[in-house]
Amino acid sequence: KNEVEQSPQNLTAQEGEFITINCSYSVGISALHWLQQHPGGGIVSLFMLSSGKKKHGRLIATINIQEKHSSLHITASHPRDSAVYICAVAPEYGNKLVFGAGTILRVKS
Amino acid sequence: ETGVTQSPTHLIKTRGQQVTLRCSSQSGHNTVSWYQQALGQGPQFIFQYYREEENGRGNFPPRFSGLQFPNYSSELNVNALELDDSALYLCASSFYNEQFFGPGTRLTVL
Repeated sequence: KNEVEQSPQNLTAQEGEFITINCSYSVGISALHWLQQHPGGGIVSLFMLSSGKKKHGRLIATINIQEKHSSLHITASHPRDSAVYICAVAPEYGNKLVFGAGTILRVKS
Repeated sequence: ETGVTQSPTHLIKTRGQQVTLRCSSQSGHNTVSWYQQALGQGPQFIFQYYREEENGRGNFPPRFSGLQFPNYSSELNVNALELDDSALYLCASSFYNEQFFGPGTRLTVL
């Protein structure tokens, strides 16, 4: 079992829909990152969370440390949101990020 | 813009050759990590450097090596390239727990 599991693996939405991507992890962490990667592109950091909730524009990220679970929400989705969204955790002990496999999001107009 | 740059953006090599990938971090970011991302997979940790010393290594063979320099730049060297080394190589500099990723170098081994 992977230390970081994301769901769904693939997601297709219509423009304007509310989107949720989930991330569960099995280790104690010091922080959780949500990252965005466009096809063929590098990675952009969207959020870093250690507790609670963060909002940036149409993006909202939440984390429940007790349940070892985080969600990334996109409100009023747009075709430019189409990308791979990756959850990565910084374990309490150790010095590397552990990545989920990513969720491929496609938003159709 | 993360302030982290990588060069080159794309590279084609043949099996058995050696390659050096470069990363330039923001000033003050004294930790740099390198990751390999194969097509359709999440990134895998190669190693991390902190103040010019290796500070952790993932499950990669010794032919993957690195250097970090005082000017916040770093290198990833891969010797004896294999076909499976074809991937996107990402560097990330960090300031406390915040990670700043470079755009990556796409390496193709033929």
